[in-house]
Amino acid sequence: AQKVTQAQTEISVVEKEDVTLDCVYETRDTTYYLFWYKQPPSGELVFLIRRNSFDEQNEISGRYSWNFQKSTSSFNFTITASQVVDSAVYFCALITGFQKLVFGTGTRLLVSP
Amino acid sequence: ETGVTQTPRHLVMGMTNKKSLKCEQHLGHNAMYWYKQSAKKPLELMFVYSLEERVENNSVPSRFSPECPNSSHLFLHLHTLQPEDSALYLCASSQDLSPGGFGNTIYFGEGSWLTVV
Repeated sequence: AQKVTQAQTEISVVEKEDVTLDCVYETRDTTYYLFWYKQPPSGELVFLIRRNSFDEQNEISGRYSWNFQKSTSSFNFTITASQVVDSAVYFCALITGFQKLVFGTGTRLLVSP
Repeated sequence: ETGVTQTPRHLVMGMTNKKSLKCEQHLGHNAMYWYKQSAKKPLELMFVYSLEERVENNSVPSRFSPECPNSSHLFLHLHTLQPEDSALYLCASSQDLSPGGFGNTIYFGEGSWLTVV
């Protein structure tokens, strides 16, 4: 069975702090895809990144970076120099074998000024 | 501006009402989805359509009835709902569901907040 665990329910930081959101996944498949989505209070799920299981290179996009480690089944997300606009719920998700996203329970990030 | 638009954004309905949620995607995708997000529960896949044909129905009660008239539009018809059906309903789309192919990015709309009273 596939499963995504986001152990951090809520994180509070002050603006300009760095913050890492953890994601641990479970699957027996060798081919799979991992995603991160951001959900602001408006409700829309905003796509942030897609990574396939054969590409373990870390990725950086502006203040966002992702660390994919197959050895620990983790796909962690770091925001550098956080801003108030980063406040949202962040979801990690997994797809294996069929176009069905398996989501974690999400981490609520609160960035205060 | 999102490539997937949903209307209405907010809906309050009684348990005996019939209403519909509408979704339209402007991305040229062939697959469309309905997801449900309830408080304190993970996001759940409800229905999947590929080229207007339903390919997945995740044990959803019959009071939820999807309709996909073309690859750009998706509806969720609601009838005799229960208060526990109150949730955020998210529509999404992706490129396709080609055989053996998966992992295409799924893009979501802003959701329809439904309250059943």
